[in-house]
Amino acid sequence: RKEVEQDPGPFNVPEGATVAFNCTYSNSASQSFFWYRQDCRKEPKLLMSVYSSGNEDGRFTAQLNRASQYISLLIRDSKLSDSATYLCVVNRRGSQGNLIFGKGTKLSVKP
Amino acid sequence: ETGVTQTPRHLVMGMTNKKSLKCEQHLGHNAMYWYKQSAKKPLELMFVYSLEERVENNSVPSRFSPECPNSSHLFLHLHTLQPEDSALYLCASSQDGTSGSFAYEQYFGPGTRLTVT
Repeated sequence: RKEVEQDPGPFNVPEGATVAFNCTYSNSASQSFFWYRQDCRKEPKLLMSVYSSGNEDGRFTAQLNRASQYISLLIRDSKLSDSATYLCVVNRRGSQGNLIFGKGTKLSVKP
Repeated sequence: ETGVTQTPRHLVMGMTNKKSLKCEQHLGHNAMYWYKQSAKKPLELMFVYSLEERVENNSVPSRFSPECPNSSHLFLHLHTLQPEDSALYLCASSQDGTSGSFAYEQYFGPGTRLTVT
C-alpha cells in the first residue's frame, strides 16, 4: 500500500459546484496532516492543516478520520481560480520534518 | 509571495558541468529541505537540515551534494548529472520538528527547473 494515496482525477466541475477529494494514508502513527495546492509549473502552497476535529477555512473544509486513516477536502462554491492540483500530505512519524506527499488530484473548474 | 527564494529559476547544464542551486528563507525557520519533483511523480524528499545539521539523506546519489552554511541558506551542488536528473528542484523551510512525532507545515520556494543535456 502506498504511504499516501489520492484519486488522480482529473475532476472537471462547473463553477459553483461542490467537490470533494479523498486521501488515505498507511502509517497509523502519523500525527500531522495537510492539504497543499499546486498550480501548473509552480511550487506547492499550503492550503490548510487538518485537525482531528475537522476544520474549515471559508469555502474549504478538511476532515480527518484516524480510525480509517482517511483525510478529505471539501470545496464549496468552486471558483475558476480553484483549478489546481491538490496534494494530500502526511508526516512520517519518527523522521524529523519528513512529509510524505501524495501524487495529487487535479481539479479543473469550468465556466 | 513566499518567504523562500531560489536561484536560478531555470538551469540547463551538460552532464560534465558543475553547478549549484541556491535557496534562502526569510521566515526565521531553522529547518530546510530539498525536494525533487519529476513529471507525474510525487515530490521526493532529498535532504533535510535542522539547525544547520543534516538529519536525513534519502538515498540520494552522491552527484547531489547539499550544503547548509546557516539556518537561512541552503545549497545543492550538482556535478556529473544524468538526463534523468532533469526535474523541478524545490527548497522548503519550516520550524524545526523536535521529537519527530509531528511535523510543522513547510513553505516552498518557486523551484529551479533543471534540464540536463
